[in-house]
Parts: sequence; structure tokens; C-alpha cells
Amino acid sequence: AQSVAQPEDQVNVAEGNPLTVKCTYSVSGNPYLFWYVQYPNRGLQFLLKYITGDNLVKGSYGFEAEFNKSQTSFHLKKPSALVSDSALYFCAVRLLSGAGSYQLTFGKGTKLSVIP
Amino acid sequence: NAGVMQNPRHLVRRRGQEARLRCSPMKGHSHVYWYRQLPEEGLKFMVYLQKENIIDESGMPKERFSAEFPKEGPSILRIQQVVRGDSAAYFCASSPSPGGHTEAFFGQGTRLTVV
Repeated sequence: AQSVAQPEDQVNVAEGNPLTVKCTYSVSGNPYLFWYVQYPNRGLQFLLKYITGDNLVKGSYGFEAEFNKSQTSFHLKKPSALVSDSALYFCAVRLLSGAGSYQLTFGKGTKLSVIP
Repeated sequence: NAGVMQNPRHLVRRRGQEARLRCSPMKGHSHVYWYRQLPEEGLKFMVYLQKENIIDESGMPKERFSAEFPKEGPSILRIQQVVRGDSAAYFCASSPSPGGHTEAFFGQGTRLTVV
């Protein structure tokens, strides 16, 4: 069974500073990895995904994430945070094949607050 | 191209009533997924459907819950005899192909409150 851990319930960062939202995963196989963002009372919006190839993935709104297979991590990063980035961020994993390859397994989410 | 449409956005039911949640996938998407989000939790997979078929219902409670995706019309998640523990946000997602590296597009959710 796969699982995702987001070790920080909340991350606070000053506007203009770099931000990192951490994610580690556990799967028995090769994973596809995703980041989604959720604004209050809204659905999830896709940010970026890792499939294969380059470990640094670039996504929407200036976000990027680095896949590290040895550390089983997929941390979300942005060089300069904006107040409008304040939201709930979810990391998710999906297996390449087999049982569970249809479903996304989500972490519990990290609330990002960007302070003006 | 409209996104994934869910209705109602908010639903209040008394204990013992039935709740029906509807989801219209994005145009051209024939793969639908339902997830449940409890307070302070991430989303939990419930069921994956294609047109007229349930493919994976491993995350759905065995009793009181059912889902369908008919040939015509929206996908329906049905909860019979609701209890307070069913109070949650229910999200529908759709994709143009099954799972894999294809990202799923989510609706805005239906927030069910059982009183």
C-alpha cells in the first residue's frame, strides 16, 4: 500500500522569501507524484507532476518540485512567495501499474501562510 | 470548456435520510473518481467509474454507499440512511484516460452536513 507524509501541518513564510513544502512517500513500486493546491471552499487545482526523467519539475504559478528517489521525497518549492500563494497544499502519489494505479493517495495537507 | 461540475455545493440532511451527490465530468472525460475529505484530513479515494462500469470501489464503505455513472447523465454518489460521521466534503474528479500519469481535474466539492 502507498502512503504520503507531509510532516508540517503549517508553513509560514514572509512574502518574497523562498518557500518549501515537504512531502515524502512510500510505495512498493515506481510512483507518479503530484502536487495540488486547495483554496478555501474550492476544489483542488493541479500544480505539477513527476512522471520520469528530469528530477526537477516545473509547474503552474512559478512552483517547482524536486524528485529525490533515494530519499523518497518530492518537496514543493518556489523562489519567491506571494501572499496569494496562501492556501492548502496536497502531495499525492499514484502507482504506475497494478492495484491502486487508478487512485491518488493524498497526504494530509500543509497550510501555507505567506505573511506580507 | 467547463470544468468538473458538482451539485449541490452544500447539502444538509437529517440522520436517516438519503443524500445524492452529482458530478458532471469535463467534456471528453469518461473516467470519474470520487474522494471524501474529512475535517483536517487529506482526500481519501472512494470509487473509480467509467461509463456504466464500476472499476475500483475499494475505498467505498460496503454498506449504505453506492455510485453509478450511467451512459447518459452525471455520475451519482448515493448515501443511504446518513449518519453524523458521513459529514464531509465529497469531491469528484475526472480524467480523459485512466489513472497513470494523467492528472485528475477536481470539482469544487459537495459539503454534506448531517444533523
